[in-house]
Amino acid sequence: QKEVEQDPGPLSVPEGAIVSLNCTYSNSAFQYFMWYRQYSRKGPELLMYTYSSGNKEDGRFTAQVDKSSKYISLFIRDSQPSDSATYLCAMSVLYGNKLVFGAGTILRVKS
Amino acid sequence: DTGVSQNPRHKITKRGQNVTFRCDPISEHNRLYWYRQTLGQGPEFLTYFQNEAQLEKSRLLSDRFSAERPKGSFSTLEIQRTEQGDSAMYLCASKPLRGPNTGELFFGEGSRLTVL
Repeated sequence: QKEVEQDPGPLSVPEGAIVSLNCTYSNSAFQYFMWYRQYSRKGPELLMYTYSSGNKEDGRFTAQVDKSSKYISLFIRDSQPSDSATYLCAMSVLYGNKLVFGAGTILRVKS
Repeated sequence: DTGVSQNPRHKITKRGQNVTFRCDPISEHNRLYWYRQTLGQGPEFLTYFQNEAQLEKSRLLSDRFSAERPKGSFSTLEIQRTEQGDSAMYLCASKPLRGPNTGELFFGEGSRLTVL
């Protein structure tokens, strides 16, 4: 069993829809939780990070962490075609030196 | 462009050949990471440097793989006697030693290896 599980999709939604992306994890030592976005043939770039349970909002993006359930989510409001990309969840332990990534979910937003 | 630079962007080689990838991190970033990403998967950690010291290596890094970071600046990743299973995107990332611990790694665009 992988430490981080993420549904690879693809997830196809119409422009303007609310998108929900999720990951589950098994390692209770994970303390930092991140979402990266990766466009085709590019390296991942950080979208959001959080280290506590609850919600964190940044513009159209909301990251949610539930440590008791070992479950994290990323919500995208008013999705745009430019949001079409692969979304990777990533986690690390406290003071950890490496990130553990999920497999990534391919998102397609249709105009 | 002052981002992480990787070369070559794409390498096609025959099984059994040696290949070397280079990574130039963001200036003054002390930490440098190598990850490998195969199709449909997320990046997997390979190794990590703090300045010139290689501090951690994954079990994924077989003895055919070697990474160096002389003088704590650029890094190279060499794969000897390549196998078809080595075909992947090799990603380099860097981060500063100090600063907010956001978990942010600054990734390059990757070096894609195709082993025929």
